[in-house]
Amino acid sequence: AQKVTQAQTEISVVEKEDVTLDCVYETRDTTYYLFWYKQPPSGELVFLIRRNSFDEQNEISGRYSWNFQKSTSSFNFTITASQVVDSAVYFCALSEALKNAGNNRKLIWGLGTSLAVNP
Amino acid sequence: DTGVSQNPRHKITKRGQNVTFRCDPISEHNRLYWYRQTLGQGPEFLTYFQNEAQLEKSRLLSDRFSAERPKGSFSTLEIQRTEQGDSAMYLCASSQQGAEAFFGQGTRLTVV
Repeated sequence: AQKVTQAQTEISVVEKEDVTLDCVYETRDTTYYLFWYKQPPSGELVFLIRRNSFDEQNEISGRYSWNFQKSTSSFNFTITASQVVDSAVYFCALSEALKNAGNNRKLIWGLGTSLAVNP
Repeated sequence: DTGVSQNPRHKITKRGQNVTFRCDPISEHNRLYWYRQTLGQGPEFLTYFQNEAQLEKSRLLSDRFSAERPKGSFSTLEIQRTEQGDSAMYLCASSQQGAEAFFGQGTRLTVV
């Protein structure tokens, strides 16, 4: 069965520190997608990144970077020089093929990591 | 704003009452998803539509729950005879085929 594990429940850092959020996944699919979403206190889930299982290149977007390691089934997320506005719950998710729906997929979510960035 | 819109944002209801939530997806998205999220948990999949067809329902969706997407545009999620355990955030998302899902701000249901 598909599963996403975010071992870190809560992380607290001081502004400008770098922080890495861990994500480990399990799947039997050969083709899958991995995602990171941010959920600020307002509640809306904000899409951050999608990564195809065939693309193991790391990605950098501003202060955000992602490290996809298929060998260890991990998709870790690093925030460089953290800011107070980064405080949120961050979810890692894995796409799972829907039954009777071709290649359409639903998301399997981790429990989230609550990040607090203190001034 | 052309994002996913959900109404109402908050709903407080007495146990045993029926409630209905609405989701308006991004207009060009033909896929629509409902998720439920309780405090301290990640979202849990409830159901999925491709256009007007409901293609999958989770076991979490008991007989008291029903979802529709009559014209392949907006969707409604109805909960009949609400129970306290139904209290949660109900999230709607939409996507195009093979693309990431965009979420609405959710409807927070409190059953008292």
